[in-house]
Amino acid sequence: NAGVTQTPKFRVLKTGQSMTLLCAQDMNHEYMYWYRQDPGMGLRLIHYSVGEGTTAKGEVPDGYNVSRLKKQNFLLGLESAAPSQTSVYFCASKDSGPGETQYFGPGTRLLVL
Amino acid sequence: AQRVTQPEKLLSVFKGAPVELKCNYSYSGSPELFWYVQYSRQRLQLLLRHISRESIKGFTADLNKGETSFHLKKPFAQEEDSAMYYCALKSGSGNTGKLIFGQGTTLQVKP
Repeated sequence: NAGVTQTPKFRVLKTGQSMTLLCAQDMNHEYMYWYRQDPGMGLRLIHYSVGEGTTAKGEVPDGYNVSRLKKQNFLLGLESAAPSQTSVYFCASKDSGPGETQYFGPGTRLLVL
Repeated sequence: AQRVTQPEKLLSVFKGAPVELKCNYSYSGSPELFWYVQYSRQRLQLLLRHISRESIKGFTADLNKGETSFHLKKPFAQEEDSAMYYCALKSGSGNTGKLIFGQGTTLQVKP
């Protein structure tokens, strides 16, 4: 099993460009999450999904959109990138049981110039 | 408001010294707390959770509701413990699995 994978690993964007980050998991998990990691701020939840076709806002959703058309994939979109969105983005997944272990992807490093 | 605070950005100790990574939380109900660790060039992974009352890699963490703390401790640090450590709190009720993370503490164990 690959676990949680993220594509791409690294990307440079110019202000105003758009892009989509892909998260895929092969553990049949119901729940998926997108976080951003910034120095001194820890991980902050952007959006999350508790099942195929459902999404919800997290702590810092502005400037991002998500879609969960398939259970194994969770897409994070930036419609018009801003320098403030320069960050490392992590995807995670979790099963729907009572355990709280989230399994993380390797991260995507995004630089917006 | 629900909040997790890790007051130290960096904790530097010598090999064999005791380690305590501090975590304080703010939560009105009965908290569920976790420690996650990120070793260099590896992905973030769960280290331990308070409900399991387990010891992983020699680390333990006790929930102190009076002091609203969940400090991570190890009696004798090893060089391989060098990593970024995050304390996390289960957010809200229900089973969305959302976590609130602290700012993280980098542990540096010197030889």
